[in-house]
Amino acid sequence: DTGVSQDPRHKITKRGQNVTFRCDPISEHNRLYWYRQTLGQGPEFLTYFQNEAQLEKSRLLSDRFSAERPKGSFSTLEIQRTEQGDSAMYLCASSLPTGTGSYEQYFGPGTRLTVT
Amino acid sequence: GEDVEQSLFLSVREGDSSVINCTYTDSSSTYLYWYKQEPGAGLQLLTYIFSNMDMKQDQRLTVLLNKKDKHLSLRIADTQTGDSAIYFCAPMGSSASKIIFGSGTRLSIRP
Repeated sequence: DTGVSQDPRHKITKRGQNVTFRCDPISEHNRLYWYRQTLGQGPEFLTYFQNEAQLEKSRLLSDRFSAERPKGSFSTLEIQRTEQGDSAMYLCASSLPTGTGSYEQYFGPGTRLTVT
Repeated sequence: GEDVEQSLFLSVREGDSSVINCTYTDSSSTYLYWYKQEPGAGLQLLTYIFSNMDMKQDQRLTVLLNKKDKHLSLRIADTQTGDSAIYFCAPMGSSASKIIFGSGTRLSIRP
């Protein structure tokens, strides 16, 4: 079990450019989540998938954001026409229902996005 | 909406117990998690409690839940320098989807 991995770890881009991040969950975890964390704050939920179905999206996820999980394994998060306000750490987590139904979420190291 | 409140800072002496408190608003929270985040690192799941329990002990960690007051606490016994981090209280709603995080409590250890 190698844990949740994210790529890239850091991304610097100019305002107006598009960026795409990748998340590989723990194998066999059927749920995958995206969160965003800004400095001094806790993570904020963006969206989550169960297998390949995107089941919930936060109001934080504007039309410029899109997430996919085409085969129910890895996921991508794309931000179009980036703005300086998009600068944050983007965190991915995955989970599998336990016998108690707790859906413990395990987080990756994050992708730090800086928009200049 | 759903909200989670924590005090921002806590300073304790090495070897003492640390108690980090949290209040939340979503009464339908089923599982309530505690995460630890060290500088430059990801979030580490420490422990959790199910909403029908009022206490859970896991080695040096004790979680207390007062469901009526929507108050959660994490006690760390014999606090060590390696416990320096930000601790997040994170209830999960009844839909078992998103976790709502507080702003975190930064725990610092004095020698």
